[in-house]
Amino acid sequence: IAGITQAPTSQILAAGRRMTLRCTQDMRHNAMYWYRQDLGLGLRLIHYSNTAGTTGKGEVPDGYSVSRANTDDFPLTLASAVPSQTSVYFCASSDGPQGTQYFGPGTRLLVL
Amino acid sequence: SQQGEEDPQALSIQEGENATMNCSYKTSINNLQWYRQNSGRGLVHLILIRSNEREKHSGRLRVTLDTSKKSSSLLITASRAADTASYFCATLRVDDYKLSFGAGTTVTVRA
Repeated sequence: IAGITQAPTSQILAAGRRMTLRCTQDMRHNAMYWYRQDLGLGLRLIHYSNTAGTTGKGEVPDGYSVSRANTDDFPLTLASAVPSQTSVYFCASSDGPQGTQYFGPGTRLLVL
Repeated sequence: SQQGEEDPQALSIQEGENATMNCSYKTSINNLQWYRQNSGRGLVHLILIRSNEREKHSGRLRVTLDTSKKSSSLLITASRAADTASYFCATLRVDDYKLSFGAGTTVTVRA
């Protein structure tokens, strides 16, 4: 297939609503990551998973949660969206924590 | 907090010229990676250089790493319009094996 897919491509969300961003990889990579990209700040790590069944907090985890029930999927949930979560969200995966990361196309989220 | 900082923030060059961008970082690293991002797209991995390497080549790309100065440079030779993109350095920290990205250098190649 395509490596890493993300859905939706873009979304406008009312503040206070719950939203799950989906990420699926078909490379059988052990590690997966969620980043947010804001203008002038580069990418910042939100959460990561080194292997199925485990997750960890990144640099900016507040307001977000993740789960890793299997190798392929790594959904990111915003329990109650706030305008400061307006950003572009990228999912990535790698064979191991030291390896090259492969990125999905991103989800553009606008919280009003 | 972000580990890497790229310099310059933006670069505009003529097609055929070389483009050089620099990255500085703060803590000890396992490796340093360069990524490219075309407008509105995801990041694409370009090259990885390990902490015990000093120079690496891949096609028109040349990367250097100076761990004593905590800095790296990316050189793109004979640039093409298709090289127009943002370039990010990312350092893999030894303390937690997490990638830390800089804010990027935006390169515009004029035809």
